[in-house]
Amino acid sequence: GAGVSQSPSNKVTEKGKDVELRCDPISGHTALYWYRQSLGQGLEFLIYFQGNSAPDKSGLPSDRFSAERTGGSVSTLTIQRTQQEDSAVYLCASSLGGGTGSEKLFFGSGTQLSVL
Amino acid sequence: GENVEQHPSTLSVQEGDSAVIKCTYSDSASNYFPWYKQELGKGPQLIIDIRSNVGEKKDQRIAVTLNKTAKHFSLHITETQPEDSAVYFCAATPLVGKLTFGTGTRLTIIP
Repeated sequence: GAGVSQSPSNKVTEKGKDVELRCDPISGHTALYWYRQSLGQGLEFLIYFQGNSAPDKSGLPSDRFSAERTGGSVSTLTIQRTQQEDSAVYLCASSLGGGTGSEKLFFGSGTQLSVL
Repeated sequence: GENVEQHPSTLSVQEGDSAVIKCTYSDSASNYFPWYKQELGKGPQLIIDIRSNVGEKKDQRIAVTLNKTAKHFSLHITETQPEDSAVYFCAATPLVGKLTFGTGTRLTIIP
């Protein structure tokens, strides 16, 4: 079955370069989330999209991070001028949406980002 | 905002024994508490959840308990099996979309 798809699975980049990470949510899911998982750490919330509403960007760590969701489906997380501390696994999740506050999140396998 | 603490960070149990993982949260407005299991190289997967109007929930060998007064909740796995080895995360949220996760527990089942 079609789950949440993320690409690339691995990305190695040089400090200062920009990177784009892509997420294809489950078809029909209106909510999409980005989380960051650093080595040995929990999942850090980054951003949340719900339908056509303005995204909740409260978790983005700096203005080098941005995300968009085109047509209510595919999302791209962009990190500009990457730093070594950006190295982490970036996880995308989707859910049915609807604003109940108790939604099952379906996660992709993540993008392992390494900044040299 | 919400803060979730989870312990232990690592746990080893003999196959067939029980495992317990505990979490505490800070925001009394939190009303949804899911548990996720993450296997190597994969994203987390929901295994059980509980809402604030319920004190306990069971699903086969897995159970979760919630104490809203003390602001803590626990995951119980009975009759552990090798396939239970993974990293487990608790989470809490008072708001739609903003799950706050604990730092994870690496569970190892010893055959």
